This record gives sequence, structure tokens and C-alpha cells, in this order.
Amino acid sequence: NAGVTQTPKFRILKIGQSMTLQCTQDMNHNYMYWYRQDPGMGLKLIYYSVGAGITDKGEVPNGYNVSRSTTEDFPLRLELAAPSQTSVYFCAINRADNSYEQYFGPGTRLTVT
Amino acid sequence: GESVGLHLPTLSVQEGDNSIINCAYSNSASDYFIWYKQESGKGPQFIIDIRSNMDKRQGQRVTVLLNKTVKHLSLQIAATQPGDSAVYFCAEREGTGRRALTFGSGTRLQVQP
Repeated sequence: NAGVTQTPKFRILKIGQSMTLQCTQDMNHNYMYWYRQDPGMGLKLIYYSVGAGITDKGEVPNGYNVSRSTTEDFPLRLELAAPSQTSVYFCAINRADNSYEQYFGPGTRLTVT
Repeated sequence: GESVGLHLPTLSVQEGDNSIINCAYSNSASDYFIWYKQESGKGPQFIIDIRSNMDKRQGQRVTVLLNKTVKHLSLQIAATQPGDSAVYFCAEREGTGRRALTFGSGTRLQVQP
């Protein structure tokens, strides 16, 4: 998964706590995405960004916020963690700005109890 | 909304046999399709993709077939190996201005030695 790094790898939160999931890419690509994957399910798009300063909602944005102040970083913020946000979170970029193929980071496993 | 789905949640095959994983999509405006492999604890890895102006594409030991008439996508893996055991996802780009992908729920491939 060289090119897209995510931190932390694992995290346990208590209900109501907040945290930021970090995603950094070193490929200088414009398009970045956040997905969540619930157990035994496919990936659902939370937010995406088409470049620095531009973000938009995906399929399941409620309870999350994002920012994109630089090309490299696309952090995902959980303000008031809920058990329903227990999931694995993947950050992705397009393989190239003229490609639809997405390249995924290693994921962050989040548990909210 | 329209979404990508899969026919079989689990597929068990013998080592050396060919595997076929199926996927139905419902959005006729989708113009790009992609297959990912996901091993336990890892992010999805690209296998092969196909654009809607094609009906077949081959890679190393893998072939993707697209039937737009019945909105069906399949992934064929030749001479399946134990290392092919994983969850396989199809995804589509729904032909809008976004590059975001819509994922199916996945099929688990189990290769029996």
C-alpha cells in the first residue's frame, strides 16, 4: 500500500469521544476518498475530494467531517462517536488523475463502545 | 438507489479449477467496472477493470466479461490457487461527473487444496 498511509491502524473509542483518522498520499494526486466497510459488507463512500479545498459528501456522510487543506492530506473527523461507527475505514486515491482505478490504504479499524 | 450486487456470497472451488464470480449491476449509465480482491485485514487490491465499450478483457489468469444487455459482470480466475482465497468485490462508476465507485457486497472465494 505504498503511496497511501493511514493512521492509526487500530483505535477504540468510547461513545461521545472524538477523533481524527489521518490519510496521507505522496503521489500528488487530486482525487481522494474515504470509505467505511462494515463486517461482511462492501465499501460505502463517506466523503471525497477532487482537490485541495474541495470536498463533497458521499453515500454515508452523517457523523463525519473532512477537510482538504493540502493535496497530500485528507483527514476524516468523527465528532461524537457512536457504536454505529464501528467499522474499518479506508482511504483511497485514484491511481492517476485520468484513471478511475482507486488505490487503497491499509485501513483503520475503529471500535466504538 | 441503484447499486451493484453479487449472486453468490461464498464460492468454494478445488485448487486448479477455474472460478467464476458473478456480479449484477442495475445502473445502465455505468461506464466503468472494476474487480478488487481483499485479503483478511488488508485494503482492496486491484485485479482488473473494464470500460463499458468493451465486453471482455484479460489479465494474468483473470478475465472479466461484461454483458450490458443483462447488466452482468463476471470475473473468471483460471487454475485457482490457494493464494486466490479472499473476498472479491465488483464496483462500478455510475457515469456521472464523479469518479467515485459504488461497491457490491462481495463474494468470498475459498480454495480447497
